Amino acid sequence: AQSVTQLGSHVSVSEGALVLLRCNYSSSVPPYLFWYVQYPNQGLQLLLKYTSAATLVKGINGFEAEFKKSETSFHLTKPSAHMSDAAEYFCAVSDQRGYSTLTFGKGTMLLVSP
Amino acid sequence: DSGVTQTPKHLITATGQRVTLRCSPRSGDLSVYWYQQSLDQGLQFLIQYYNGEERAKGNILERFSAQQFPDLHSELNLSSLELGDSALYFCASSVRGGSGELFFGEGSRLTVL
Repeated sequence: AQSVTQLGSHVSVSEGALVLLRCNYSSSVPPYLFWYVQYPNQGLQLLLKYTSAATLVKGINGFEAEFKKSETSFHLTKPSAHMSDAAEYFCAVSDQRGYSTLTFGKGTMLLVSP
Repeated sequence: DSGVTQTPKHLITATGQRVTLRCSPRSGDLSVYWYQQSLDQGLQFLIQYYNGEERAKGNILERFSAQQFPDLHSELNLSSLELGDSALYFCASSVRGGSGELFFGEGSRLTVL
């Protein structure tokens, strides 16, 4: 069974500050890992994904995440927060068998203040 | 725009009633997934269909059922509705044999009164 733990249901940063959203996963097989973003009243949009190529993954809107197998982590970062980054962020895990389902974390709400 | 279409966007109904949510996947995607999002449970996987056949089942109640039709659209049927069924229901689709990446619709918000 796979699972994802996102530390912190809410994270607050100032505009221009570093964004760090934490995600730890549990998987008995090599995982695929994802970060999705959900803006108010919208569906989930893929930010980035790790599929065993490079451990440092770059996504849209300046976000990136690093896969660390030894720490079973896939934390999401952005050097400088923008007001438009305020949204809910979900980490998700699946396995590499091709037809597996995504298991999502509880989500972290990112709040950005001026 | 993800290419996944869900209808209706909002639905208000009473306890004990039955509703049907509809989803059209992205062109070319054979897999359809249904997820339920609520404040207390987060995003819960309900069920997956691949090319018309059930492929995986998650935390789906017996009062709920789904199917995928030959044209690949899917319907989620919710019956004997309870207050606790109020939630946002998402449909997602994916390419065949993909890396697990899902493309989500904007959801159907169900309110049970």
